[in-house]
Amino acid sequence: EDQVTQSPEALRLQEGESSSLNCSYTVSGLRGLFWYRQDPGKGPEFLFTLYSAGEEKEKERLKATLTKKESFLHITAPKPEDSATYLCAVQGGTNAGKSTFGDGTTLTVKP
Amino acid sequence: DVKVTQSSRYLVKRTGEKVFLECVQDMDHENMFWYRQDPGLGLRLIYFSYDVKMKEKGDIPEGYSVSREKKERFSLILESASTNQTSMYLCASRRTGEYGYTFGSGTRLTVV
Repeated sequence: EDQVTQSPEALRLQEGESSSLNCSYTVSGLRGLFWYRQDPGKGPEFLFTLYSAGEEKEKERLKATLTKKESFLHITAPKPEDSATYLCAVQGGTNAGKSTFGDGTTLTVKP
Repeated sequence: DVKVTQSSRYLVKRTGEKVFLECVQDMDHENMFWYRQDPGLGLRLIYFSYDVKMKEKGDIPEGYSVSREKKERFSLILESASTNQTSMYLCASRRTGEYGYTFGSGTRLTVV
């Protein structure tokens, strides 16, 4: 059974204070690891897909990296508008196309 | 701009009612999914469909059914609503061969 564990549950940062969110996973035959952003009361918004260890993707102040056991979402010089819940998900080769999600990390960036 | 549209943002229903949640996507995606999201439990898969008239049970299908008569529309049905089905319901779609989902805005259902 695929599993995803995200840490920390909540993270409070000052504006400009860089940090990282962690996503640990176990999966049989990784097809992809995904990061989503979710604002309160809304559906998740797709950010990145990572397919293999060593891969990195960047978007504005966000950078996602992948190893064989975990992924990190690095946030550089965050702004208050980066405040959201960040979800990690994996899709394995035996899972018939469905993703397994972690519980998310709620990021709050104070001005 | 591609979209997944859920028919209602907020719904309040009574215990025992039959409830229909509708989801429509305009991206010609083959695969569609229904998740529920609850605090402390994350997103849990209820049902998914990889083709018209096809459906597969997810992790928590009890008390739910689905219908996919057309490629663009995937309906979630609560046969007899109960208070423990109060939740945020999220519809998603993806194209076969790609893996990231496009989500709708969600329907917050309250069963009283």
